[in-house]
Amino acid sequence: DIQMTQSPSVLSASVGDRVTLNCKASQNINKYLNWYQQKLGEAPKLLIYNTNNLQTGIPSRFSGSGSGTDYTLTISSLQPEDVATYFCFQHNSWPFTFGSGTKLEIK
Amino acid sequence: QVQLKESGPGLVQPSRTLSLTCTVSGFSLTSYGVSWVRQPPGKGLEWIAAIWSGGSTDYNSALKSRLSISRDTSKSQVLLKMNSLQTEDTAMYFCARSTSFDYWGQGVMVTVSS
Repeated sequence: DIQMTQSPSVLSASVGDRVTLNCKASQNINKYLNWYQQKLGEAPKLLIYNTNNLQTGIPSRFSGSGSGTDYTLTISSLQPEDVATYFCFQHNSWPFTFGSGTKLEIK
Repeated sequence: QVQLKESGPGLVQPSRTLSLTCTVSGFSLTSYGVSWVRQPPGKGLEWIAAIWSGGSTDYNSALKSRLSISRDTSKSQVLLKMNSLQTEDTAMYFCARSTSFDYWGQGVMVTVSS
């Protein structure tokens, strides 16, 4: 199975900061990497699909990049409503697997 | 619009079989697959099983011997059965549209307890 490692596990930043979340796969996943935002008590919400494609309705402050085994989610200007846990997810090889999440907090 | 809604028993006794239903609207099961994902309280997400638009299936290898996924296209429903339940199977169970993995249901909480 492909292991997905996210870092950091917890990130604390100020409103307006540029924040970067990382996700590393144990092998090449050919850019089949999605990012999800999950708020407490809610279902995951798709932000970015296939590395760098912004899902419809998601604010443009979210962006994704990467290739091979290394991927990044960037929030260009952190907003209070961005407080959530963020998961990466690979759908290149079955079984599909998630990262363990980055919990994003406001300072 | 696209919607998925999970339904199930809520509380199941250990060693029993869990049956969950995902009822979809806004798309056809013959055009999109549906997957099940679970999340134990306070923990991360785990992909369990998928049934694809052509009817083929895939399972998490760690759970495969206990799982069965099927569909009823006339009812727009995907069914998940998991046998030999243990307390570790206590989780929120979500269904999600696949292969795009874009739309998710709100989830159903399943507690395994005597």
